[in-house]
Amino acid sequence: GAVVSQHPSRVICKSGTSVKIECRSLDFQATTMFWYRQFPKQSLMLMATSNEGSKATYEQGVEKDKFLINHASLTLSTLTVTSAHPEDSSFYICSASTGPFSGNTIYFGEGSWLTVV
Amino acid sequence: GQSLEQPSEVTAVEGAIVQINCTYQTSGFYGLSWYQQHDGGAPTFLSYNALDGLEETGRFSSFLSRSDSYGYLLLQELQMKDSASYFCAVTGGYQKVTFGIGTKLQVIP
Repeated sequence: GAVVSQHPSRVICKSGTSVKIECRSLDFQATTMFWYRQFPKQSLMLMATSNEGSKATYEQGVEKDKFLINHASLTLSTLTVTSAHPEDSSFYICSASTGPFSGNTIYFGEGSWLTVV
Repeated sequence: GQSLEQPSEVTAVEGAIVQINCTYQTSGFYGLSWYQQHDGGAPTFLSYNALDGLEETGRFSSFLSRSDSYGYLLLQELQMKDSASYFCAVTGGYQKVTFGIGTKLQVIP
């Protein structure tokens, strides 16, 4: 089946620095990728929708200047957490879609654990 | 917007059957999915229902009633390894997936 790869799986960064998380679709082209955040023992919350070649669409309450999303190609989307703070420590996970309006072709990456110290 | 409701916790005995219900309110609906997530891991896809009825995949079955905005996940012959959190999720317009709060299933001997 389709594979979505995320890197790094775990990252620790110092407060105030920036960290980049990559999401790659390995064997299919993804016109749309999604970024979610999950705090411990909570649900996955959609942060933004990343569309190849255009600006990301952010959910209400998500700071677009803090969480920079770049979807430069059909197989790669990146999430950069800028000026990270300890409260940004969370599980970040991406998903990729193989096409529009086909709800059963969404694949999740393995997720990235971010710890800000 | 979308909102989903599912029980927060369920406990069941090994070998038994358990049903996890999910109701939703949505402004756009393409289908209902179920995901399993073990502690520390990523969600893994279990099933997807776009049409009314029951879908069976091995020990797991999923049901959808669009008229009732209701679905459930049925796990049969429970095993200890089934202890995990189970999320229902609605796929809406533009393939946005909205997750429920998750149901923590504990399988006991």
